Amino acid sequence: GAVVSQHPSWVICKSGTSVKIECRSLDFQATTMFWYRQFPKQSLMLMATSNEGSKATYEQGVEKDKFLINHASLTLSTLTVTSAHPEDSSFYICSARRSGGNTEAFFGQGTRLTVV
Amino acid sequence: GENVEQHPSTLSVQEGDSAVIKCTYSDSASNYFPWYKQELGKGPQLIIDIRSNVGEKKDQRIAVTLNKTAKHFSLHITETQPEDSAVYFCAASTNAGKSTFGDGTTLTVKP
Repeated sequence: GAVVSQHPSWVICKSGTSVKIECRSLDFQATTMFWYRQFPKQSLMLMATSNEGSKATYEQGVEKDKFLINHASLTLSTLTVTSAHPEDSSFYICSARRSGGNTEAFFGQGTRLTVV
Repeated sequence: GENVEQHPSTLSVQEGDSAVIKCTYSDSASNYFPWYKQELGKGPQLIIDIRSNVGEKKDQRIAVTLNKTAKHFSLHITETQPEDSAVYFCAASTNAGKSTFGDGTTLTVKP
């Protein structure tokens, strides 16, 4: 099956610093990756759609200058939370869609970000 | 945009009983409907999916039905086991691959 790996699985950072989260498709190429945020006991909310070689598309209300997305290759997308604040603490999850495939997306294991 | 509603928000069943979770969607362009199981602290795992050209799909104890006319789809788990306890999410997707999720159902299977 298709495997998507996120790194790190958890991170604690100080307020005002930046944190980078990686999303890799291990055994397939992904033209499109999606970044979600999930607060405790809530559903997954789409933050942005990441397309290889082009700018990400952000959902309404998501600050593109705060959540920097780079999709430099067909197997890697990164999300950088800049100048993190405690309210950014959340579970960040990526998913990847196989290039040329159908609409099925495969999810990473998530990254728990805690900003202190 | 797409709106997905999921019911119930919590469901408790006795081991061996069946569990049913229902979702409705609003965008007629949605054509792919996956169901995910999420355990505490982990990302969602796809357990079954159905496409708009199919009315029902079954995989062992899990089945999904889709009524495209009424815009609703359901997850059925038979012979539930304690390890089925988790949060289940339905989602609706278009060809662009972007998924809109329901609010989730916390399923508890009592031994």
